[in-house]
Amino acid sequence: DTEVTQTPKHLVMGMTNKKSLKCEQHMGHRAMYWYKQKAKKPPELMFVYSYEKLSINESVPSRFSPECPNSSLLNLHLHALQPEDSALYLCASSQHEEVGYNEQFFGPGTRLTVL
Amino acid sequence: KQEVTQIPAALSVPEGENLVLNCSFTDSAIYNLQWFRQDPGKGLTSLLLIQSSQREQTSGRLNASLDKSSGRSTLYIAASQPGDSATYLCAVNMGPTGANNLFFGTGTRLTVIP
Repeated sequence: DTEVTQTPKHLVMGMTNKKSLKCEQHMGHRAMYWYKQKAKKPPELMFVYSYEKLSINESVPSRFSPECPNSSLLNLHLHALQPEDSALYLCASSQHEEVGYNEQFFGPGTRLTVL
Repeated sequence: KQEVTQIPAALSVPEGENLVLNCSFTDSAIYNLQWFRQDPGKGLTSLLLIQSSQREQTSGRLNASLDKSSGRSTLYIAASQPGDSATYLCAVNMGPTGANNLFFGTGTRLTVIP
């Protein structure tokens, strides 16, 4: 299995809602990533988990809260978002962020719209 | 800080043409370089990964080259097809730094006209 899956594919939420994005991989990868991508821009790194521990937080607002319950799952909890947070949220995984063959595999993304 | 540039930003070619996409980076101390394809509104599909010690990688009609010393990589697509239409992103990996180590270019949007 060489796939990274993400659910839901699309999400529309109001600014007072609480929702979660989910990501799963079964490649035995121990590093997982959240990226945010605005239209016609490259992905921007948000968080990195290495061996289920948060290793990088790229100064992301606290209304985004990541969670890594186990080595295969990565969640992104959303609360009190703003319309400017509307974007494609991408999950990725790699064998480990600090070993040589560091190819990242991406999921299909969740298209988030905040009203 | 590493800066990655892709030229051109958009490219339109007739079906069957061979084409080259360019990626340049400012810091040559890279670990590897990865080329991705992204269809509109979709995730990224990894096409090729070139380690810093390699000069090129091939997969089907795709060939990626790397000249680390000059800070350049190219993606060559042979006999282009309408299904190749997508945005192509290159990403430079700076290796185990304990910080964000993958730097993306802004992409080249390719349209192959039937």
